Amino acid sequence: EPEVTQTPSHQVTQMGQEVILRCVPISNHLYFYWYRQILGQKVEFLVSFYNNEISEKSEIFDDQFSVERPDGSNFTLKIRSTKLEDSAMYFCASRSGANVLTFGAGSRLTVL
Amino acid sequence: GENVEQHPSTLSVQEGDSAVIKCTYSDSASNYFPWYKQELGKRPQLIIDIRSNVGEKKDQRIAVTLNKTAKHFSLHITETQPEDSAVYFCAAIPHDYKLSFGAGTTVTVRA
Repeated sequence: EPEVTQTPSHQVTQMGQEVILRCVPISNHLYFYWYRQILGQKVEFLVSFYNNEISEKSEIFDDQFSVERPDGSNFTLKIRSTKLEDSAMYFCASRSGANVLTFGAGSRLTVL
Repeated sequence: GENVEQHPSTLSVQEGDSAVIKCTYSDSASNYFPWYKQELGKRPQLIIDIRSNVGEKKDQRIAVTLNKTAKHFSLHITETQPEDSAVYFCAAIPHDYKLSFGAGTTVTVRA
């Protein structure tokens, strides 16, 4: 069964450092998403991406965040200067034209 | 944007009993309602979904009902088993496809 692949599975970083989380969506999917889940809380929408541009973003997705699709397969989330409160599980997801969203296994970010 | 409310936040049931989780949504344009199960430290996994043109859908021990007029939908798990213990999230997708999750329900099945 096709999967959304995320790397790294866990990253520990110092506050103020830049972090890049990587995702490989399912190959024939057109819509890409990043979600965040702070420990014990619900999954929160960050950003959606379609046709090589951001289609929607939440208030969480401020100027410290950016997304990129640098080639035909990868979809990255960059946090420029991490803060303690950025510590969370970050999920990438993708879908085809249908509604069904497939999530990756997540990247756990710990900011010290 | 869409706002999804989910209740209860925790649910403890005896093995073999039924569990019911309820969600309401705000955007009448939402037309797709998935339910996700998340085990500790793992990704949300789609377990069942329902579209707005259907009132009820069943898959073995899991069923979902949708009341579009009242803007609420529910997950029903019958004959619960210990492996049903997890956090369950409802979600709604409005016209902008920005999936909004409920706050989650932690289900504990007591053996």
